Amino acid sequence: GEDVEQSLFLSVREGDSSVINCTYTDSSSTYLYWYKQEPGAGLQLLTYIFSNMDMKQDQRLTVLLNKKDKHLSLRIADTQTGDSAIYFCAESSSYNQGGKLIFGQGTELSVKP
Amino acid sequence: DTEVTQTPKHLVMGMTNKKSLKCEQHMGHRAMYWYKQKAKKPPELMFVYSYEKLSINESVPSRFSPECPNSSLLNLHLHALQPEDSALYLCASSSQASGNTIYFGEGSWLTVV
Repeated sequence: GEDVEQSLFLSVREGDSSVINCTYTDSSSTYLYWYKQEPGAGLQLLTYIFSNMDMKQDQRLTVLLNKKDKHLSLRIADTQTGDSAIYFCAESSSYNQGGKLIFGQGTELSVKP
Repeated sequence: DTEVTQTPKHLVMGMTNKKSLKCEQHMGHRAMYWYKQKAKKPPELMFVYSYEKLSINESVPSRFSPECPNSSLLNLHLHALQPEDSALYLCASSSQASGNTIYFGEGSWLTVV
């Protein structure tokens, strides 16, 4: 079945770049998403990329997609303490019944001053 | 405006109570979702409504009863819940229930005592 995997923890210093990685198994993935969840809050859609794209940049965020290796990454430039959160990678497919999102386990990003 | 509004933000209920969670979106989306999330875990899909009809029920116990009164509203009726049902309940919506960007609300924190 479909599976999405992420490392569980990442710790960086304020001002450094953070790179959060994700691998997925579903070849028919249409959309790949990054959601951010701060403590006590809901999921905030950070960015998404269509499966026919290689890269997407949005201010401090850069998403890279390697379709051959089924690898997705999220780079946060100039990481700030406010970026501390759990980051979920997710994928959906046009072929998934109902557009069901398949989530990774989430990467907890800790930003130290 | 990509807003999904959920009420109440916090709910404490006894195991014999009947309560409801409410969700509203005004983005003209035709697919709406209920997810359940335990602390520091990824959300788990419960139900999908597409064009106001229930299209997916992920084998959710009958003590959870969804309702979609119109295309903007989604309710989750709760009855005879167990303490293990305590979790964050997230509503989400997308323009259609197939390969479209999914937006989440801030969630309703439910505690069953």
